[in-house]
Amino acid sequence: GDSVTQMEGPVTLSEEAFLTINCTYTATGYPSLFWYVQYPGEGLQLLLKATKADDKGSNKGFEATYRKETTSFHLEKGSVQVSDSAVYFCALSDSGDKIIFGKGTRLHILP
Amino acid sequence: DTGVSQNPRHKITKRGQNVTFRCDPISEHNRLYWYRQTLGQGPEFLTYFQNEAQLEKSRLLSDRFSAERPKGSFSTLEIQRTEQGDSAMYLCASSNRDSITDTQYFGPGTRLTVL
Repeated sequence: GDSVTQMEGPVTLSEEAFLTINCTYTATGYPSLFWYVQYPGEGLQLLLKATKADDKGSNKGFEATYRKETTSFHLEKGSVQVSDSAVYFCALSDSGDKIIFGKGTRLHILP
Repeated sequence: DTGVSQNPRHKITKRGQNVTFRCDPISEHNRLYWYRQTLGQGPEFLTYFQNEAQLEKSRLLSDRFSAERPKGSFSTLEIQRTEQGDSAMYLCASSNRDSITDTQYFGPGTRLTVL
């Protein structure tokens, strides 16, 4: 069945460092891909999405590009801030219905 | 837009008891989803409704679990004869299938602890 694999955390970076969180997926169809974020004490929020190959999703300085040839959707940010500390989930939806999530990557940003 | 709300936020119960959770979606959203999240894992899909019709149930949803959305608005998730393995965060999400973005918006969750 469909699945998402993302790099395990925790990931600890200094403020202003470059961030990459790797995500690969397995799907039978042509899924939409997502990054969700969960800040401490808050609910899941959609960070960005891409619906077809070569699409780039972006929001709040974060970017991810839908790479069909490598079945990947890596999350990047050029300069992280302490406020980016959160758990990040890569996810897919193959049918437009349920979302399948990865296990999450906890990110700590040190001032 | 008041967002998705869930009640209660926390529930502690003893093994064997029944529990019921409520989810109130964003008002114009016709789809409502239930997920379960255990510690250190991502959310796992349980079931979803379009209006009042339950369209899909995961194999994770044993016969002790039942969900309803009687008038196509709020939904309830009931767990009968709770087990310690049911301890988790239960998340509700809603979306508008008719919108271009069809984004799922999540509530804060109900944390269940079964003693």
